[in-house]
Amino acid sequence: DAGVIQSPRHEVTEMGQEVTLRCKPISGHDYLFWYRQTMMRGLELLIYFNNNVPIDDSGMPEDRFSAKMPNASFSTLKIQPSEPRDSAVYFCASRGPWDRGNTEAFFGQGTRLTVV
Amino acid sequence: RKEVEQDPGPFNVPEGATVAFNCTYSNSASQSFFWYRQDCRKEPKLLMSVYSSGNEDGRFTAQLNRASQYISLLIRDSKLSDSATYLCVVAAYSGAGSYQLTFGKGTKLSVIP
Repeated sequence: DAGVIQSPRHEVTEMGQEVTLRCKPISGHDYLFWYRQTMMRGLELLIYFNNNVPIDDSGMPEDRFSAKMPNASFSTLKIQPSEPRDSAVYFCASRGPWDRGNTEAFFGQGTRLTVV
Repeated sequence: RKEVEQDPGPFNVPEGATVAFNCTYSNSASQSFFWYRQDCRKEPKLLMSVYSSGNEDGRFTAQLNRASQYISLLIRDSKLSDSATYLCVVAAYSGAGSYQLTFGKGTKLSVIP
């Protein structure tokens, strides 16, 4: 398995532009998580899905952020409009079904976002 | 109070030393516990799960105290390759798809030759 795949790996954009981050979870995994990591705040959970349904989006900072999971193999995190304070590394992670003993969450390599 | 708290370090130790990391968590309903390792500019990866009875994996020993809501990680005979940030992770599952996976901010370890 190729693991969790995120794109792009790096993104530099101007303030006010729309940014879309993409994630392909591991096949068969039913949980998908979006995290943001900064030096100051560490890893923060933004939103997670179970079977493509958003379960908890309380970590999404504000209305400028939105996430979708149209099918089991794809998710997007969109920021519109982007601001310099959104600069961070955004990680996507996935985990398999709980009832099959899956506990480990596997992370993608992250997208390093810089908003100038 | 933060949900998962760790000493941020950094811990600078010589090769061969024993080092211990501690972590406390606030959600008493938490059910699963882990230590993840994150190398510089890389993604977090599972180091080991933590069980109530304590568990060992080579030079690494993890312990859990549910009453005190406290988790520890002990690294013996430190190697240069152990240099990384160690993340304490707590999971709570409450049915209907709810699965909270919460990370501490991490403890940075530098093993010095």
